[in-house]
Amino acid sequence: EAGVVQSPRYKIIEKKQPVAFWCNPISGHNTLYWYRQNLGQGPELLIRYENEEAVDDSQLPKDRFSAERLKGVDSTLKIQPAELGDSAVYLCASSPDHLDRSYEQYFGPGTRLTVT
Amino acid sequence: GESVGLHLPTLSVQEGDNSIINCAYSNSASDYFIWYKQESGKGPQFIIDIRSNMDKRQGQRVTVLLNKTVKHLSLQIAATQPGDSAVYFCAGPNAGGTSYGKLTFGQGTILTVHP
Repeated sequence: EAGVVQSPRYKIIEKKQPVAFWCNPISGHNTLYWYRQNLGQGPELLIRYENEEAVDDSQLPKDRFSAERLKGVDSTLKIQPAELGDSAVYLCASSPDHLDRSYEQYFGPGTRLTVT
Repeated sequence: GESVGLHLPTLSVQEGDNSIINCAYSNSASDYFIWYKQESGKGPQFIIDIRSNMDKRQGQRVTVLLNKTVKHLSLQIAATQPGDSAVYFCAGPNAGGTSYGKLTFGQGTILTVHP
């Protein structure tokens, strides 16, 4: 079974530039998550999708961050404009639909963003 | 919501020893906990989970213990191997409503296994 796929793996940009990350979840997983992980910290949820609907985006800084999952499969997370403090690893995860397994999240390798 | 934390940020052990990684949580209503392993350059990998109606759950070389009285859980790794070197996170859910499925992660414990 293929895992969660993310691209790019690394991205270096200057501040004020836009950046986008892409994620393809495990086949059949309708729930998709975007997390941000700062150095030495655990992942923090940015947004959660059930199919194409964002059901929890309370932690997403909406002034500069946006996300979409138009067809309920792959997803894109965008930052515009990026700030120095956005440097982090951006992780995508997906989980099975069954209620008992919704916490069983499978993570991709992440995109390490460096803003200079 | 849930707050999870770890007692020690680092743990060093010799190969073959048993490792114990601890985690405390704040929400007594939390009913599910997960341990993740994160190797350098990779995303967290699911290791084992436990529900609040259990005190203990065993996997392959790993055991999770849950003490609901003191709101503490631990991950025990038997016969630790160099490949076990990683950061270990405990995670717990936020309860109810639109937060269902939202995990709160602790800070992580860095496990280093010396040959």
